[in-house]
Amino acid sequence: DTEVTQTPKHLVMGMTNKKSLKCEQHMGHRAMYWYKQKAKKPPELMFVYSYEKLSINESVPSRFSPECPNSSLLNLHLHALQPEDSALYLCASSLSRTGGFYEQYFGPGTRLTVT
Amino acid sequence: AQTVTQSQPEMSVQEAETVTLSCTYDTSESDYYLFWYKQPPSRQMILVIRQEAYKQQNATENRFSVNFQKAAKSFSLKISDSQLGDAAMYFCAYRRFQGAQKLVFGQGTRLTINP
Repeated sequence: DTEVTQTPKHLVMGMTNKKSLKCEQHMGHRAMYWYKQKAKKPPELMFVYSYEKLSINESVPSRFSPECPNSSLLNLHLHALQPEDSALYLCASSLSRTGGFYEQYFGPGTRLTVT
Repeated sequence: AQTVTQSQPEMSVQEAETVTLSCTYDTSESDYYLFWYKQPPSRQMILVIRQEAYKQQNATENRFSVNFQKAAKSFSLKISDSQLGDAAMYFCAYRRFQGAQKLVFGQGTRLTINP
């Protein structure tokens, strides 16, 4: 089973709101990722967690705050977003092996609209 | 830095025929992974095929196969017996060999299947 789940599917929030995106996998994967995808563009990496520790932050603004409470769960906390942050947010995970990680499996994404 | 280029923004093919999507990349590393992902209008990114750079044999997955030319830094995807369900945006992606690394995506090729 190569399933990554994401909730909610759609989210509309105002610029003063605080909301969170959730990602979950039960495949025993030890790396989890957040990507941002604008329309008709490829995904762009935001964060990587490896063994529950933040290993890569692609200079993402602090209004995005990731959290990895355990090996199965990844959150993205949102606060004071801008309209240009409207996008599809994709979560992915990958299995670890000696020397690296296997391919990434993606969730269905959360469509975020900031008004 | 690694870059991935997909020179065909759009392609179309008749149902049941064969189509080849092109991808070139630039890297100074000798070990890495290459992937093809598809993203249907439903938006979930689905792994199509994976190629390890140290393997000379081209990867195949049912109707999908790649032509990996390491010296030329070329990685094309061939889809045989095209089906309506193959219609999607196809992304070529590069990943470094070690660690939980990000995927570097090309700009994508939108594939249309004509019945």
